[in-house]
Amino acid sequence: KQEVTQIPAALSVPEGENLVLNCSFTDSAIYNLQWFRQDPGKGLTSLLLIQSSQREQTSGRLNASLDKSSGRSTLYIAASQPGDSATYLCAAPIPSGTYKYIFGTGTRLKVLA
Amino acid sequence: GAGVSQSPRYKVAKRGQDVALRCDPISGHVSLFWYQQALGQGPEFLTYFQNEAQLDKSGLPSDRFFAERPEGSVSTLKIQRTQQEDSAVYLCASSLTGVGSPLHFGNGTRLTVT
Repeated sequence: KQEVTQIPAALSVPEGENLVLNCSFTDSAIYNLQWFRQDPGKGLTSLLLIQSSQREQTSGRLNASLDKSSGRSTLYIAASQPGDSATYLCAAPIPSGTYKYIFGTGTRLKVLA
Repeated sequence: GAGVSQSPRYKVAKRGQDVALRCDPISGHVSLFWYQQALGQGPEFLTYFQNEAQLDKSGLPSDRFFAERPEGSVSTLKIQRTQQEDSAVYLCASSLTGVGSPLHFGNGTRLTVT
């Protein structure tokens, strides 16, 4: 059974800081892992998808890494901005599953101007 | 449209009423998902469609929940005889394929059962 944990649950940082969000999953037999952003009252926006054959993916100031052997993924946000304030969720599929994603409870990020 | 569209945005139902939630996925997306999100929690899987076929409904909480996608495009999630514990945000997502493509979510329907 796949379980996904995100640490920390909440984070408050001053503008300009680099920060790391952590995601752990219990079963490493995954095809990929996805990171999402959720603004209050909105749906989820896909940020990065890392295939199991990759070790990292980058999009602008975001970099996500995947270490299947240790069951961990990290989302690195460089030079944080107030507009980055949101909840960040990671999702891992069930073992050997191709569509059923298990989500963590998210990290609530607040970037202070 | 360019994104996943869900309606209504908000729904208030009295306990015992039936409700129907609509999802319009991105055109051409084969896969469609329904998720339920409680306050402060991550989304929880309800059901999955590949085109018109419902391949997995293991997350539906009870037989009061029913989903369909008859023509492989628009989907409807129906909840019969609503209960207070059904209050949540219901999210719909679509993806181009079921394997290795990003999930695109709608803004959800917030259901409140009074």
